[in-house]
Amino acid sequence: EADIYQTPRYLVIGTGKKITLECSQTMGHDKMYWYQQDPGMELHLIHYSYGVNSTEKGDLSSESTVSRIRTEHFPLTLESARPSHTSQYLCASELDTPNTGELFFGEGSRLTVL
Amino acid sequence: ELKVEQNPLFLSMQEGKNYTIYCNYSTTSDRLYWYRQDPGKSLESLFVLLSNGAVKQEGRLMASLDTKARLSTLHITAAVHDLSATYFCAVAGYALNFGKGTSLLVTP
Repeated sequence: EADIYQTPRYLVIGTGKKITLECSQTMGHDKMYWYQQDPGMELHLIHYSYGVNSTEKGDLSSESTVSRIRTEHFPLTLESARPSHTSQYLCASELDTPNTGELFFGEGSRLTVL
Repeated sequence: ELKVEQNPLFLSMQEGKNYTIYCNYSTTSDRLYWYRQDPGKSLESLFVLLSNGAVKQEGRLMASLDTKARLSTLHITAAVHDLSATYFCAVAGYALNFGKGTSLLVTP
């Protein structure tokens, strides 16, 4: 079973606030990802990282930013939250066995911006 | 751009029946994954299919991959209520690209 943790699980904040969603994994995986998922909808890749000091934007345009200073930690930050940011954010890391590419997901952070 | 299409998107079936969920994708890939998501929960990995002709089975679920047809199927045998969930297929590009998901409801 994968050990990947997200905090907070639920967050309700007002417009304009700065927030950081935390994601940590204890497996030493190099590759990590952030996906955004609206209720009942597909997942959209917003950021990914192939290792320390590596970050890239995904397919879905996002006003969030990420950092990867340590292998185990991949936080996502919104400088000024808006109601359009209301969604579930899922963090994942990739199993490093030869070329399987299997992702393991955290429990998710459900964000509501009022 | 890699596109992944699942059908059906919604499926209501009776317990004991069989059904198949289809996943088509638009560009060449030899890695495909099936995930399950329960309401309000995260995604749980079900199957990893890594080559043409790969077939995996777990309980009442069986997944297969045809890379030439760019098609994967998830077959449900003798459905039970516990299988009610949303099932996603995902295809490997530089990251995983997900389908819209199939919301399955198994009724008595």
